[in-house]
Amino acid sequence: DIQMTQSPSSLSASVGDRVTITCRASQGISNYLAWYQQKPGKVPKLLIHAASTLQSGVPSRFSGSGSGTDFSLTISSLQPEDVAIYYCQKYDSVPLTFGGGTKVEIK
Amino acid sequence: QVQLQESGPGLVKPSQTLSLSCTVSGDSISSGSHYWSWIRQPAGKGLEWIGRIYTSGSTNYNPSLRNRVTISVDTSNNQFSLKLSSVTAADTAIYYCARTSRGELFDYWGQGTLVTISS
Repeated sequence: DIQMTQSPSSLSASVGDRVTITCRASQGISNYLAWYQQKPGKVPKLLIHAASTLQSGVPSRFSGSGSGTDFSLTISSLQPEDVAIYYCQKYDSVPLTFGGGTKVEIK
Repeated sequence: QVQLQESGPGLVKPSQTLSLSCTVSGDSISSGSHYWSWIRQPAGKGLEWIGRIYTSGSTNYNPSLRNRVTISVDTSNNQFSLKLSSVTAADTAIYYCARTSRGELFDYWGQGTLVTISS
């Protein structure tokens, strides 16, 4: 099965900083990659699919890129409400697999 | 507005079978537009997809759990269910049900239910 590895596992940045999270697949998955945001005590929320397509209502400061095995999620200007754990998920085939998550905190 | 609600025992004894149901409102499982999944999350840990079911009853399971998992659907009550057998403390987690768009993306989630495995 394909494994999904996220880095870093956690990060701390200042409000307004540009933040980038990476996700690597152990085999190529084309652009079948989604990103989810899980705020503390809340249910995960789908942010991005097809590696770079924002879900409706997601702020434009979020963007995704990549294809094949290497992907990234970027927050162009970190806001306090972005404090959350971010997960990537591959969906090229079953099993549908999540990365281990990246915890984003405010410095 | 699509809503999902998990229900079932919050405490299960080791070696027994965990059973949960998910009631869907605002969408019809029998429409065939989506798959329906179970996902779990141990406290302080990441997300693990357990499996999915289609309205026809066709299922796919995570290989790590395949020998112990059964997901079924009840279209008449717009529900789908999870059974996980021979549970251990490692199965203690929040269990979520989720609508799975195109069988791939989890676009609507239940609030989750904590299941603790303990004697």
